[in-house]
Amino acid sequence: DAKTTQPNSMESNEEEPVHLPCNHSTISGTDYIHWYRQLPSQGPEYVIHGLTSNVNNRMASLAIAEDRKSSTLILHRATLRDAAVYYCILRDQGAQKLVFGQGTRLTINP
Amino acid sequence: EPEVTQTPSHQVTQMGQEVILRCVPISNHLYFYWYRQILGQKVEFLVSFYNNEISEKSEIFDDQFSVERPDGSNFTLKIRSTKLEDSAMYFCASNRDRFSDTQYFGPGTRLTVL
Repeated sequence: DAKTTQPNSMESNEEEPVHLPCNHSTISGTDYIHWYRQLPSQGPEYVIHGLTSNVNNRMASLAIAEDRKSSTLILHRATLRDAAVYYCILRDQGAQKLVFGQGTRLTINP
Repeated sequence: EPEVTQTPSHQVTQMGQEVILRCVPISNHLYFYWYRQILGQKVEFLVSFYNNEISEKSEIFDDQFSVERPDGSNFTLKIRSTKLEDSAMYFCASNRDRFSDTQYFGPGTRLTVL
């Protein structure tokens, strides 16, 4: 499984944008970039995923570098409820399991 | 919105006892998973299940573990003889089909082995 590297922790303020980076220099051509998050005392929750193009949904945006060796999850306007551990995961198309790393613990200050 | 449910939310057992953790995946989903998370550690894949058989399992999923879909709705994880190191949160997950991009996770069962 291709490896991802994320900062252990990040901090931001409520109502400000947050950019969560992920490096994946060994990504293969068929790996999709997935982001999940885990709120305190809950199971992981899907956030967004993409292959090559930037993606937007109601929760976040995903910006993917042109060489695909890094990506950034963007929360446009963080709320206290966005405090969670965010996981960047590479998943081959058709693969089933998710391989979680340590993720980035995001703290949101009021 | 449909969701994955798990019971019980917390299970306490004595070392050596058998436990069964139960999950009800989303009704039209075909792929089912168990993951675990030891306190303070990362989420680890245990097993995936499709068409009434295991499709992939990790090294953690040894002979003391088994999974079953006993009816059309439940998906269970059995630990035959629990050890102290089995204490963890166990998460069930499901997705619609092989190419579905989103796995939906349940809230987890906290297993405490004394």
